[in-house]
Amino acid sequence: NAGVTQTPKFRVLKTGQSMTLLCAQDMNHEYMYWYRQDPGMGLRLIHYSVGEGTTAKGEVPDGYNVSRLKKQNFLLGLESAAPSQTSVYFCASSLDRRSSGNTIYFGEGSWLTVV
Amino acid sequence: DQQVKQNSPSLSVQEGRISILNCDYTNSMFDYFLWYKKYPAEGPTFLISISSIKDKNEDGRFTVFLNKSAKHLSLHIVPSQPGDSAVYFCAAIQGAQKLVFGQGTRLTINP
Repeated sequence: NAGVTQTPKFRVLKTGQSMTLLCAQDMNHEYMYWYRQDPGMGLRLIHYSVGEGTTAKGEVPDGYNVSRLKKQNFLLGLESAAPSQTSVYFCASSLDRRSSGNTIYFGEGSWLTVV
Repeated sequence: DQQVKQNSPSLSVQEGRISILNCDYTNSMFDYFLWYKKYPAEGPTFLISISSIKDKNEDGRFTVFLNKSAKHLSLHIVPSQPGDSAVYFCAAIQGAQKLVFGQGTRLTINP
């Protein structure tokens, strides 16, 4: 998973707290994504970005906000954490619009628990 | 609405035999399909892909088959090795590079 770095790797939050997950990539990729992985649900797209300064909603955007102020960084924010947001979060990046999928690189994941 | 489905949450295969992982999809607009492999505490990594204009793609021990009329694809691993034990995700691309994933199948290769 070289090239995509997520911080923090682990975090425990209390209900109602806020936090930000940071994703950084050093491959000059245009596209960046945030997914969450839950048991029996696969990976679901939360938000994505097709370039610096742009963001768009994915399948499950509610309760999350994102920002892409710099091309290399994609931030995922939880304004008021809820237990339903306990999950493993994966950031990913890709080079271009019609790449074949094998140029989508994932980070190692961030484990978030909301109590 | 689950557009990509992997109906088998787990599969156990003996080392050296063939592993067959299945995936069904509902959206006929998908034009590219991929398989990702995931080890615990790591992010998914790309394994093999297939375009909707093909029905088979092979890469070493891994072969993906696509049946568009049945909206079904499968991943064959032969021979299966202990290092193949992982969770396998089927995924499909629609439009602007938005991957849609299945639920995953946990493959265990028994020695």
